[in-house]
Amino acid sequence: AQSVTQLDSQVPVFEEAPVELRCNYSSSVSVYLFWYVQYPNQGLQLLLKYLSGSTLVESINGFEAEFNKSQTSFHLRKPSVHISDTAEYFCAVTGGGAGGTSYGKLTFGQGTILTVHP
Amino acid sequence: DVKVTQSSRYLVKRTGEKVFLECVQDMDHENMFWYRQDPGLGLRLIYFSYDVKMKEKGDIPEGYSVSREKKERFSLILESASTNQTSMYLCASSLGAEPEQYFGPGTRLTVT
Repeated sequence: AQSVTQLDSQVPVFEEAPVELRCNYSSSVSVYLFWYVQYPNQGLQLLLKYLSGSTLVESINGFEAEFNKSQTSFHLRKPSVHISDTAEYFCAVTGGGAGGTSYGKLTFGQGTILTVHP
Repeated sequence: DVKVTQSSRYLVKRTGEKVFLECVQDMDHENMFWYRQDPGLGLRLIYFSYDVKMKEKGDIPEGYSVSREKKERFSLILESASTNQTSMYLCASSLGAEPEQYFGPGTRLTVT
């Protein structure tokens, strides 16, 4: 069985400060990893994903995450946050290569609320 | 762009009522999912479907059923709504064995 732990439920930061949202997972198979973002009163949007290849993945709005297999982590970072980054962030995992046995079922973490203050 | 729509953004129902939540996707995706989202618990999978008329239980199916009569539509049914089913409900879809899921805007259901 897979599980995901987001280590911080709330992260308050000031605008232009760096931020790291932590995510650890457990899985007995190789994994695909995701970060989704949920802005207030909206559904989830994919922020970035790791499927294979380079362990460092980036989003179009300046976030990056690094897949660390030895530490089973997929932490999300941004060097300088904006007010508009205020949202809830979810880390998710699914078993890579499981194909039809899992149909891409995602297991989500508990979510981290990022609040950026002026 | 993939579009997943849900029939209502906000819904208020009384205890014991039968509730239907509808989800439609326009990208011919095989897989569809229903989650509920609660503060501090993240998203939990209720049911999913990998083909028309096929369904499988997720992690928290109790008190819910689903229907998928057409490929593009996946319905979540609360046979007799209870106050502990007050929550945000999110629908998602994905293509075949592709792991990425696309989410609808959510339905915030309140059962009084």
